[in-house]
Amino acid sequence: AQSVSQHNHHVILSEAASLELGCNYSYGGTVNLFWYVQYPGQHLQLLLKYFSGDPLVKGIKGFEAEFIKSKFSFNLRKPSVQWSDTAEYFCAVNQGGGADGLTFGKGTHLIIQP
Amino acid sequence: DAGVIQSPRHEVTEMGQEVTLRCKPISGHNSLFWYRQTMMRGLELLIYFNNNVPIDDSGMPEDRFSAKMPNASFSTLKIQPSEPRDSAVYFCASSLAAHPRTSTDTQYFGPGTRLTVL
Repeated sequence: AQSVSQHNHHVILSEAASLELGCNYSYGGTVNLFWYVQYPGQHLQLLLKYFSGDPLVKGIKGFEAEFIKSKFSFNLRKPSVQWSDTAEYFCAVNQGGGADGLTFGKGTHLIIQP
Repeated sequence: DAGVIQSPRHEVTEMGQEVTLRCKPISGHNSLFWYRQTMMRGLELLIYFNNNVPIDDSGMPEDRFSAKMPNASFSTLKIQPSEPRDSAVYFCASSLAAHPRTSTDTQYFGPGTRLTVL
């Protein structure tokens, strides 16, 4: 069975700081990787996804993530955060494409202080 | 575009009562997923359907939980009888996934149903 580990449960940053949220997964086969965001009071939205190809993936709102297969990692990054980035961030993995269920990490609660 | 629609948005019930959660996927999508979110366990996949057929229900916690998808535009998740430990936010998601093993389509989530069992 696959599992996802997010190292930081709570992160507090100031505006304009750089962000990196860690995500590691455990599965030796081919995986698809996702980052979802949940803004306060809203539902989950996809930030970015990796299926194949260039391991550096760019998503919405200036976010990017890098798939490092040797480290089983898919860390999320943003060079300069904004107050509006305050949200819960979830890393997820599946094996079977868009029709397969997702295994989520526990989430990282990010607070950006103005 | 209407996204994934879930009803009710909030449900408060007493232990032992039957609870039915409803989901309408995005029109044209052929995969539907039910997830549960709790503080202790995070987001967990309960069950998912492709073309109205249940594919994997290994995440369904116990026999008190059942899910159906009678047609492409409607699914239900039923808990009977409900217990306080079932209190959670239940999310429904859908994707196009024309080719299950090669699709790169995104799962789109609904707003969730917050269930409280007293």
